Amino acid sequence: DTAVSQTPKYLVTQMGNDKSIKCEQNLGHDTMYWYKQDSKKFLKIMFSYNNKELIINETVPNRFSPKSPDKAHLNLHINSLELGDSAVYFCASSPMTNTEAFFGQGTRLTVV
Amino acid sequence: GNSVTQMEGPVTLSEEAFLTINCTYTATGYPSLFWYVQYPGEGLQLLLKATKADDKGSNKGFEATYRKETTSFHLEKGSVQVSDSAVYFCALTLSSNTGKLIFGQGTTLQVKP
Repeated sequence: DTAVSQTPKYLVTQMGNDKSIKCEQNLGHDTMYWYKQDSKKFLKIMFSYNNKELIINETVPNRFSPKSPDKAHLNLHINSLELGDSAVYFCASSPMTNTEAFFGQGTRLTVV
Repeated sequence: GNSVTQMEGPVTLSEEAFLTINCTYTATGYPSLFWYVQYPGEGLQLLLKATKADDKGSNKGFEATYRKETTSFHLEKGSVQVSDSAVYFCALTLSSNTGKLIFGQGTTLQVKP
């Protein structure tokens, strides 16, 4: 029943590792996003896909690579993890631009 | 550029007190405005929205009016409950910016019994 679901909810890993976060939405939306929430709760867009096509890439390091196999899924792969990557990552979707987005529960990534 | 500014928190209130959380924005064009709420350990939930000037969004006793002349979208509630304790985010989106939400820094509300 969950509209936007992310896995895993918690991820603890060592520096230098590669990890992925998966996101799926069952709302039939065309647009999906990744947002990053830092330790001060500030939220910032990372990527946006519309119908599997990348439309926003907000100066995110190349170590972050989104992949959208179909319009219901948007995964985030992170190479060579660094301490500064520790944050909560939120997936979201929206039916079109200029409308509200629906968020997943978040993935708390801790790099040690 | 486009931005959202919220009042600094934390805001601490007693139960049944009146709540105002200020939000002002800067935008090139005509944004849609939103308030999201994040309860501890959870994701963001849409609380209310307004898509054009003078619209009032409302939900669960919360209200906010889109004021173009003051570029504001202040959140209000007449009587807060302990269960309203959360982080509140004001946000905007523009049709010209491919739908991304631009968030304020968030305001933590703590309601004491």
